Order: sequence, then structure tokens, then C-alpha cells
Amino acid sequence: KQEVTQIPAALSVPEGENLVLNCSFTDSAIYNLQWFRQDPGKGLTSLLLIQSSQREQTSGRLNASLDKSSGRSTLYIAASQPGDSATYLCAVKNRGSTLGRLYFGRGTQLTVWP
Amino acid sequence: DAGVIQSPRHEVTEMGQEVTLRCKPISGHDYLFWYRQTMMRGLELLIYFNNNVPIDDSGMPEDRFSAKMPNASFSTLKIQPSEPRDSAVYFCASQHRGTTYEQYFGPGTRLTVT
Repeated sequence: KQEVTQIPAALSVPEGENLVLNCSFTDSAIYNLQWFRQDPGKGLTSLLLIQSSQREQTSGRLNASLDKSSGRSTLYIAASQPGDSATYLCAVKNRGSTLGRLYFGRGTQLTVWP
Repeated sequence: DAGVIQSPRHEVTEMGQEVTLRCKPISGHDYLFWYRQTMMRGLELLIYFNNNVPIDDSGMPEDRFSAKMPNASFSTLKIQPSEPRDSAVYFCASQHRGTTYEQYFGPGTRLTVT
């Protein structure tokens, strides 16, 4: 069974800092890994998806990396802004017959203060 | 595209009542997922469908919960009878087989059972 862990559970930083959110998973036989953002009282918005054959994906100030062999992914946020405040969730999809299913971490709650 | 549509957005009901949550996936998507999110347990997968067929319902809490997908554009999650511990946010998500299997989430239904 796949288990996904996110560290830290919460993070509070001043505006302008570069920061790193961590995600680890126990089974390296993954198909892809997806990072989501969730604002309070809202649904999940997909930020980045990394296929198992890829090492990283970038979108604007966001960069996600994947090290499948060590079971780790990081989400790098450059020049953080108050609008980045949200909960960030990592989720992995295993290879094989359960290809539909995503396994989620508990998330990192990020607060960026002015 | 309108994205994944869920209704109602908020539902308040009394213990013992039947509750029906509705979901319309993104057109052309062939997977549909129902999740439940609480502070205590995080995001849990309840059930998912592929081509309208239930594939994995191991997350359905008990017989009080049932889900159907009568066609490719509509699904329901029913709770009968409802209990206070069912209070949570219920999300529907869909994905397309394609090449990435990226999941897209709806805005959620906040259910309160008193």
C-alpha cells in the first residue's frame, strides 16, 4: 500500500522568501506525482504533474522535482507572496491495475505574511 | 470547459435523513472519483468508476453509503440514513485516460448532519 508523507505540516514565512515543501512516498513504482493547492473552503487545484520518467516540471514561480528511486518530491516556490498562502497537497498514482487511484499526503499549510 | 460540477454546494440535514450528492464530470473523462475530507482523516478516497463501472469501493465507510454512475456525465453519492459523523466536505474528481491521467476536482459539497 502506498503511503505519502508531507513535511512540514505547517510553514509560516515572510513575503519574498524562497521555500521548499517536501513529499515522500513508500512505493517507488509510481506512474506520476501531482501537486495540488487548496484554498480554505475550496476544492483542489492541480499545480504540476510529473510523470515517472521526468525529473522536474516548472510553472511560473513553481518548480517540482521527482526522485523516484528515493521516493521523494519537492515543490519549490520562488519569491513567495501572500497570495501563495494555502494548503499544498502531494499525491501519487501507482503503476498497475490501480492506475486510477491517487494516494494523498496530509498537506503542508503555508502562510506567507506581508 | 466548465470543470467538474457538484451540487449542492452546502447541505445541512438532520440525523436519519437521506442525503444525495451529485456530480457532473468533465466531458470526455472516463474516470470519476468520490472523496471525503475531514480535519481528522484528511482526504479519503471513497469509490471510483472507470467507464461508469465501479472499480474500487473499498473506501466506502459502510452500507449506509452508496454511489452510482448511470451514464458518463452524471454520478450520485447517497447516504441513508445520515449520521453526525458523516459531516465532511465531499469532493468529486474526474480524469481522462490520455497520457497523463491528471485528476481535476470539483468545488466540493460541505455536508453538515445535526
